[in-house]
Amino acid sequence: DVKVTQSSRYLVKRTGEKVFLECVQDMDHENMFWYRQDPGLGLRLIYFSYDVKMKEKGDIPEGYSVSREKKERFSLILESASTNQTSMYLCASSLEYRSPGEQYFGPGTRLTVT
Amino acid sequence: KNEVEQSPQNLTAQEGEFITINCSYSVGISALHWLQQHPGGGIVSLFMLSSGKKKHGRLIATINIQEKHSSLHITASHPRDSAVYICAVIPYNTDKLIFGTGTRLQVFP
Repeated sequence: DVKVTQSSRYLVKRTGEKVFLECVQDMDHENMFWYRQDPGLGLRLIYFSYDVKMKEKGDIPEGYSVSREKKERFSLILESASTNQTSMYLCASSLEYRSPGEQYFGPGTRLTVT
Repeated sequence: KNEVEQSPQNLTAQEGEFITINCSYSVGISALHWLQQHPGGGIVSLFMLSSGKKKHGRLIATINIQEKHSSLHITASHPRDSAVYICAVIPYNTDKLIFGTGTRLQVFP
């Protein structure tokens, strides 16, 4: 079974803090994705990566950056957290290069910024 | 207007009922996904389809590419089916999914 893990299920941070969310997948998938999920808005793509050290902006990249130093690990960074970044963050991976394909999701991190 | 619309937004049912959730989209697509999200966050892929019909246990997904419409059916619904069901499409010539906002299903015993 594909397993996608995220570093925390719940996280509380203060405004202005730097926040790291980590995601690890164990099935040698090429592609990894970071989404946020907000009520009434559905899942929105923040960043994605098709290869190590490669990243591409999604629909809402402002205020975020990412890092993919190893194939299995994709990190989302909030350089200076703000209250409007309070959300559920979901990581996903998929096998086929440059195709969103069938995505496998992590359990999510519920981030609260106070 | 969202490119992927789901209906209904909320659905309640009695155990045993037949349930239908609809998804309409406005773009040309190469495939469509149905996803399930239980309380607590985890999302599971149920189906990926590009034509016709797929069945897995009590779940059936259909798609009509010409009409840009897909349905997810649950037969003999059970309280453990209570979840949010999300439709997502892969538009042609793109490498991103577009998600619907989900249908919240509650099945009561």
